[in-house]
Amino acid sequence: EVQLVESGGGLVQPGGSLRLSCAASGFTFNNYAMNWVRQAPGKGLEWVSSISGSGGSTYYADSVKGRFTISRDNSKNTLFLQMNSLRAEDTAVYYCAKDRPGGRGLDYWGQGALVTVSS
Amino acid sequence: DVQMTQSPSSVSASVGDRVTITCRASQGISSWLAWYQQKPGKAPKFLIYAVSSLQSGVPSRFSGSGSGTDFTLTISSLQPEDFATYYCQQANSFPFTFGQGTRLEIK
Repeated sequence: EVQLVESGGGLVQPGGSLRLSCAASGFTFNNYAMNWVRQAPGKGLEWVSSISGSGGSTYYADSVKGRFTISRDNSKNTLFLQMNSLRAEDTAVYYCAKDRPGGRGLDYWGQGALVTVSS
Repeated sequence: DVQMTQSPSSVSASVGDRVTITCRASQGISSWLAWYQQKPGKAPKFLIYAVSSLQSGVPSRFSGSGSGTDFTLTISSLQPEDFATYYCQQANSFPFTFGQGTRLEIK
């Protein structure tokens, strides 16, 4: 059974940093691209970042480029999102999500981690 | 960037009704379109990929169609558990983008 479990969310002041983790199990982790998707309170889904299975290719939304860094540790089946220079508008539930085989969608999602940026 | 526009933003329907949700891309995305269902307080659930292929375990009352820039999600006979918010997503090019969502409510 595929499981994705996020951790590391919390309350942080504007300008601060936070690192999210996503522990994966139930599939061959390094075979699949992984993603972060966020959802601000009462709003829709926003894709944040993607990383290839090897970790060699990364992609970011313009809204987080230069501030967030996606990475993965395939030896520990874990995905990360390092978030720096956080802003109030980064407040959201952050989901990690697995690419389906061959791409074209995100087939498994974690339960989400709430990040609140506020003074 | 590819913009995804869903319509309607919300729709009210009854159990047993047929409902269609539309998603339009600002440029061609081939068949790189997916649909998700989300219930309040829960993670999205993957329904359809490659425009019309049902994810394993998704009931056959869900179907997808379209090509190029215009796509639809149809629920043939609404069940109580189908009342939720639905999102389309393009995976043709980065940045991936979602539609703004369609809230399906009980009439």
